[in-house]
Amino acid sequence: SQQGEEDPQALSIQEGENATMNCSYKTSINNLQWYRQNSGRGLVHLILIRSNEREKHSGRLRVTLDTSKKSSSLLITASRAADTASYFCATDASGGGSNYKLTFGKGTLLTVNP
Amino acid sequence: GAVVSQHPSWVICKSGTSVKIECRSLDFQATTMFWYRQFPKQSLMLMATSNEGSKATYEQGVEKDKFLINHASLTLSTLTVTSAHPEDSSFYICSCATGSTDTQYFGPGTRLTVL
Repeated sequence: SQQGEEDPQALSIQEGENATMNCSYKTSINNLQWYRQNSGRGLVHLILIRSNEREKHSGRLRVTLDTSKKSSSLLITASRAADTASYFCATDASGGGSNYKLTFGKGTLLTVNP
Repeated sequence: GAVVSQHPSWVICKSGTSVKIECRSLDFQATTMFWYRQFPKQSLMLMATSNEGSKATYEQGVEKDKFLINHASLTLSTLTVTSAHPEDSSFYICSCATGSTDTQYFGPGTRLTVL
């Protein structure tokens, strides 16, 4: 089974609407991160939330973390066509230090229609 | 800040040849670099982790003799796909991390197509 699985796999909304993506994971984590990837491009780091945090905001992004349920959500408010991309959650379950590594989920493909 | 580049951005090669991909951190020193592979419409799979001046640590199932990683400096790591075959065709992405943060900064990726 895979650490960090997002749902839904695909989400299509209209511009101006909010988009919510969820991520579940299986093991204890140090932190959880959300990344964005435009088609055929590299990943852009969006936000990191630590295991002792419950909610974090960055611009139009809001991330929550529920360690008891081993789940996180990413909310994008007032979506724009430019938000169209794949969104991945990634968990850091390592012992920390310079050799930490991330495990990525399968991603949610978000399409924002103009 | 925290810009990572990869070269080339895409490459097409014949089966049996070797291909080298470079990953550079442009404005910071990366104590750790990671190499990922991503097949179409799939997630990133970690291939190996490398620390400057040390041998890379490969993930289970990744052949170290096929995917040679060199992390010669704090700003450069290379991935060489040796004797490439069509099944090696994929999107290869590197990321860089400093010792003081647990955020990874990703390169733009390299699209490898093996004919």
